[in-house]
Amino acid sequence: QLQLQESGPGLVKPSETLSLTCSVSGDSISSYWGWIRQPPGKGLEWIASVYYTGRAYYDPSLESRVTTSVDTSKNQFSLRLSSVTAADTAVYYCVRLAYSYDSRGYTYYGMDVWGQGTTVTVSS
Amino acid sequence: EVVITQSPATLSVSPGETATLSCRTSPTFSSNLAWYQQKPGQAPRLLIYGASTRATGVPARFSGSGSGTEFTLTISSLQSEDFAVYYCQQYNNWPLFTFGPGTKVDIK
Repeated sequence: QLQLQESGPGLVKPSETLSLTCSVSGDSISSYWGWIRQPPGKGLEWIASVYYTGRAYYDPSLESRVTTSVDTSKNQFSLRLSSVTAADTAVYYCVRLAYSYDSRGYTYYGMDVWGQGTTVTVSS
Repeated sequence: EVVITQSPATLSVSPGETATLSCRTSPTFSSNLAWYQQKPGQAPRLLIYGASTRATGVPARFSGSGSGTEFTLTISSLQSEDFAVYYCQQYNNWPLFTFGPGTKVDIK
């Protein structure tokens, strides 16, 4: 059974770079993956989607600060968010994007597996 | 710019009753909409994709409907475990996504 586990520092200083890794177990990393965050007491925010080849798509409001990467040898994918401020304080989730692809194109089946989430606080 | 609204913000329902949650998107989308449930302290859980298809293991009391710009999540015969926050998500430009602000279903 596929499981996702986020890891990374729980405290990041303002203006520094937030770095998180999601470890994939129980299945191949050959899929689409995503990063979602949730500020305290607020709703869900999509940050990025990344294919196992490394191709990535970012939320336009964060695009200038976000980079993602995939390490297929370790079955991991990562998120880096630079120049963080208090507004980046949130629970960060990694997710699998369930999909299929055939001659008609992509069919999406939702974010079907979520990590437990990791809390990142931006503070000096 | 994608705009999603969910109404009401909070819905108070008695156990056993039916809850009807609304999600309105702009501009027009087809059936590229999913619903998620989130309980306090937990990660969200996928309920519905394609506007009306239940995800694996989701009870039949959860049903989704709608197309275009207006979508509905109906929870029939509410159980105690259904009191949670529900988010809709549009994916017309997959794999780019937008979430709605959420509807909290609480006990009346």
